[in-house]
Amino acid sequence: QSALTQAASVSGSPGQSITISCTGTRNDIAHYGSVSWYQQHPGKAPKLIIYDVSHRPSGISDRFSGSKSDNTASLTISGLQADDEADYYCASYSNALSFDWVFGGGTKLTVL
Amino acid sequence: QVLLVESGGGVVQPGRSLRLSCAASGFTFSSAPLHWVRQPPGKGLEWMTSVSSDGVRKFYADSVKGRFTISRDTSKNTLFLHMDNLRREDTAMYYCARGSPAWSYFDSWGQGTLVTVSS
Repeated sequence: QSALTQAASVSGSPGQSITISCTGTRNDIAHYGSVSWYQQHPGKAPKLIIYDVSHRPSGISDRFSGSKSDNTASLTISGLQADDEADYYCASYSNALSFDWVFGGGTKLTVL
Repeated sequence: QVLLVESGGGVVQPGRSLRLSCAASGFTFSSAPLHWVRQPPGKGLEWMTSVSSDGVRKFYADSVKGRFTISRDTSKNTLFLHMDNLRREDTAMYYCARGSPAWSYFDSWGQGTLVTVSS
């Protein structure tokens, strides 16, 4: 069982917007501003798309945005495109017991 | 650009050891924290271990503490993961990743190397 909770799957049609939630605890998401999101296409390595809750690395489309409220972080993808179909993982630093990084279980995005 | 290339994976029997390598280029190796993250087949990502830019501070997930050792060689721009007493549940794709200076995210990933623990 992953430390951060994500829905197993989400779907949307091209052009629509979807939001993926990531729920943690007061020891991780609620306490730290270090939430990040990763996109992973099948057979490929993860790719950073959001860091520090809401910042986009250079080269990442502004269709991707992030936010946080209390112990829940969210990733919103607007103007869905076929290439957005992938697995998405959230991550956060955690200090529940010691230095630790925790990931969500991943959300499979299907573009209909 | 940042390039991380893992190697050393393969099939190994339970209880045996294996050493993974991650060759880095495209950035100042001695300035970045580095991490190992693994992904069992068909499952999600799991953080394993991290090492500070100077190689002094090292951190491990409970699941590998005492069995895995992270190290880095600045002269070779290479990150290592020495894995002892391997278990079937260690079967996974192992990724090395560069960390942000503030340790808040993993900004570049290698393509991974597959470790299969099986008799």
